[in-house]
Amino acid sequence: QVQLQESGPGLVKPSQTLSLTCTVSGDSISSGDSYWSWIRQPPGKGLEYIAYIYYSGSTYYSPSLKSRVSISVDTSRNEFSLTVRSVTFADTAVYYCARVWSSSWAFDPWGQGTLVTVSS
Amino acid sequence: SYELTQPPSVSVSPGQTASITCSGDKLGNKYTFWYHQKPGQSPVLVIYQNNKRPSGIPERISGANSGNTATLTISGTQTMDEADYYCQAWDGSTALFGGGTKLTVL
Repeated sequence: QVQLQESGPGLVKPSQTLSLTCTVSGDSISSGDSYWSWIRQPPGKGLEYIAYIYYSGSTYYSPSLKSRVSISVDTSRNEFSLTVRSVTFADTAVYYCARVWSSSWAFDPWGQGTLVTVSS
Repeated sequence: SYELTQPPSVSVSPGQTASITCSGDKLGNKYTFWYHQKPGQSPVLVIYQNNKRPSGIPERISGANSGNTATLTISGTQTMDEADYYCQAWDGSTALFGGGTKLTVL
């Protein structure tokens, strides 16, 4: 059964760059039957889609975040990553990675999430 | 831009049927997905492509989608169903989430 695990710093200063990695276990990112995504949730608020990527490197971004985010994949490490540039307090959130099945377009499963706080 | 609208909260008595709606322009023309999220936990898929249940999701949870509204129905609601529920759809290559509905069982 596939599992996803987010990792990265829990604290980032305003105007700096936030970088997170999602490590996939139990299946290969290169299997070709899925896309790999990032979603975030500010404290006490709802879910916000950020981006997803295919193992080949094709990328798709939320229009509202596209100018500040980048998603990448490392098939040799079975990982994919997210970078958010010029962070502000509004980027404080739990960041989740999730699998997107190309057969159904469902987000399943999700990682446990990692809290990133933007604070000086 | 496309938006999905959910009621902030729904209350139901144990054993009764809970219905959570998700509204969007011509939403019936899109596939709708539903996730539940319990406090401190990650979202879990409970319905995909309008009305399909992943393995492990009980039959008392069902979904429908028509016109401008998708509905998640939980029959014989149990205290374990208390959670936040989010609808989700795709607008082209962009995923959209509703604002979430807190289901209270009391």
